[in-house]
Amino acid sequence: AQTVTQSQPEMSVQEAETVTLSCTYDTSESDYYLFWYKQPPSRQMILVIRQEAYKQQNATENRFSVNFQKAAKSFSLKISDSQLGDAAMYFCAYRPLMNRDDKIIFGKGTRLHILP
Amino acid sequence: EAQVTQNPRYLITVTGKKLTVTCSQNMNHEYMSWYRQDPGLGLRQIYYSMNVEVTDKGDVPEGYKVSRKEKRNFPLILESPSPNQTSLYFCASSLGTGWNTEAFFGQGTRLTVV
Repeated sequence: AQTVTQSQPEMSVQEAETVTLSCTYDTSESDYYLFWYKQPPSRQMILVIRQEAYKQQNATENRFSVNFQKAAKSFSLKISDSQLGDAAMYFCAYRPLMNRDDKIIFGKGTRLHILP
Repeated sequence: EAQVTQNPRYLITVTGKKLTVTCSQNMNHEYMSWYRQDPGLGLRQIYYSMNVEVTDKGDVPEGYKVSRKEKRNFPLILESPSPNQTSLYFCASSLGTGWNTEAFFGQGTRLTVV
């Protein structure tokens, strides 16, 4: 079964510091997407960053970057220069490339607190 | 603007009173799904649809119905809601499977069944 595991239910980081959120996944597929979604108090699901499994280069989006280790099935999110607006629940998610049900499999989430 | 619209955003209802949560997308997407989000469980797929009149169960379909009579709409129906269906619900749509087919999420519907 395909699963996504986020082992850190909550984390805290000082404003302007760097924090890394962990994620591991399990799959036998070779082609897939990995995502990090941010869910602020507004409850909206905001796509932060995505990684295609065939790409060896780690994805980056401004202050957000990932460390994608395909062999280890690891997909961590690094947030640099943390800001108060980064406080949210973060979900790691996996989506097979060719999937009849188009299902996205989510981890249980990591709540990130930013300390001023 | 490309978007997925859910209504209502908040709903409090009583056990057994039928309700419908609407979902509409303006991107001509083939695929649509419903998810529920519960604390400590993440999001789980309830139902999905690959196209008009084609729907199927996801991981947690019990107590829910869906329909896809038009491509843009995918309502979620709770015929006899129960307190264990109190949750945060998301509708999502995508162009389909394959590369460059990003999923778009609605704003969420907070449902409370008392």
